Amino acid sequence: QQQVKQSPQSLIVQKGGISIINCAYENTAFDYFPWYQQFPGKGPALLIAIRPDVSEKKEGRFTISFNKSAKQFSLHIMDSQPGDSATYFCAAEANRDDKIIFGKGTRLHILP
Amino acid sequence: EPEVTQTPSHQVTQMGQEVILRCVPISNHLYFYWYRQILGQKVEFLVSFYNNEISEKSEIFDDQFSVERPDGSNFTLKIRSTKLEDSAMYFCASSPDYRPGGEQFFGPGTRLTVL
Repeated sequence: QQQVKQSPQSLIVQKGGISIINCAYENTAFDYFPWYQQFPGKGPALLIAIRPDVSEKKEGRFTISFNKSAKQFSLHIMDSQPGDSATYFCAAEANRDDKIIFGKGTRLHILP
Repeated sequence: EPEVTQTPSHQVTQMGQEVILRCVPISNHLYFYWYRQILGQKVEFLVSFYNNEISEKSEIFDDQFSVERPDGSNFTLKIRSTKLEDSAMYFCASSPDYRPGGEQFFGPGTRLTVL
């Protein structure tokens, strides 16, 4: 129940296209859903995050869509660029807990 | 921009040996964490630390592991007797205040290889 399931494992998108990564969870105690971006040789870095009281959050080319009833959330990267090539982790945190639960990650490659 | 630093970047050790991984969190942060990432797998929480105490730990964090903040700047993870399955990337993170919703800032990681 503490898992966050992420798909796809890898994704190839043409430059300018839309990249979509999906995640699902079971634990209804989760109330904060961050996305982390990780470049090779670096630690994960917070990209964008959402709380379940809103259905969508947009920051620049990055949008999180959140479906509370389905316990699903997704990351959309509009106008994908080669510089977006990285591993993306969805994650979840519960209010009472002190840890981030990560998905398995999606390796995104944007073709130039 | 302040950042979390970790040393060494790569540590190779023999099975059964003790290793100490070092982290310097961002200076005004109060909460510290260790995570690990086995190659090709997800990032997993190990332990959180606040006010010189462990505040939460995972099942992975057994008696072979310990954490310490020996001075005002360093935060260390010790593995007392390393096993082959301890080979992973170990990330330190820190945050300025209690979450929820507060960002954790991750260091670049230490790659531990146990032979």
